[in-house]
Amino acid sequence: GESVGLHLPTLSVQEGDNSIINCAYSNSASDYFIWYKQESGKGPQFIIDIRSNMDKRQGQRVTVLLNKTVKHLSLQIAATQPGDSAVYFCAENESGGSNYKLTFGKGTLLTVNP
Amino acid sequence: GAVVSQHPSWVICKSGTSVKIECRSLDFQATTMFWYRQFPKQSLMLMATSNEGSKATYEQGVEKDKFLINHASLTLSTLTVTSAHPEDSSFYICSARGALNIQYFGAGTRLSVL
Repeated sequence: GESVGLHLPTLSVQEGDNSIINCAYSNSASDYFIWYKQESGKGPQFIIDIRSNMDKRQGQRVTVLLNKTVKHLSLQIAATQPGDSAVYFCAENESGGSNYKLTFGKGTLLTVNP
Repeated sequence: GAVVSQHPSWVICKSGTSVKIECRSLDFQATTMFWYRQFPKQSLMLMATSNEGSKATYEQGVEKDKFLINHASLTLSTLTVTSAHPEDSSFYICSARGALNIQYFGAGTRLSVL
């Protein structure tokens, strides 16, 4: 999962396995969360989002789970493919705050082995 | 839809010169754009929030005279790094707030100051 510090957490999985990437957030007032995927040398790409009135949301091959009690967010990727290799960031937003600023987590490097 | 174009993707400049980076929302209007800085293997750090027709809001510790932001239209924001020095070398990324307040990111600009 994600942690504070300069060392990027890593997750290595075999192609076809399911991946789970975790994120702990700190602001209990945050009510909107997004997962982004960033490939090397590129900008972040939106994957899926969830609002605090939900605890689960599914997309294509991805599922986001939100546990507000422990301020934890996870991203599940089903049948992981080599193209899923990237750094994954969670981001949080307090919608009552100004300008919809996002606070990003530290990121997790996912490596998919063929 | 929701494409954000950032230009240039890579720039090398001499110390003391200024560099302008453009961020365009191609298929939507964005009243709010954001500028981030990212160091290798680290997360995105918000530098400033750019609002169309008004002054940008800078995060604590970011020099507004060093990083000039202009958001003259609903589809264009620019970041000018003035009197660039080697310590300004970094990956700069913009995002634009689109529908449902999702931030869509440009591909980033790698700045190298010699």
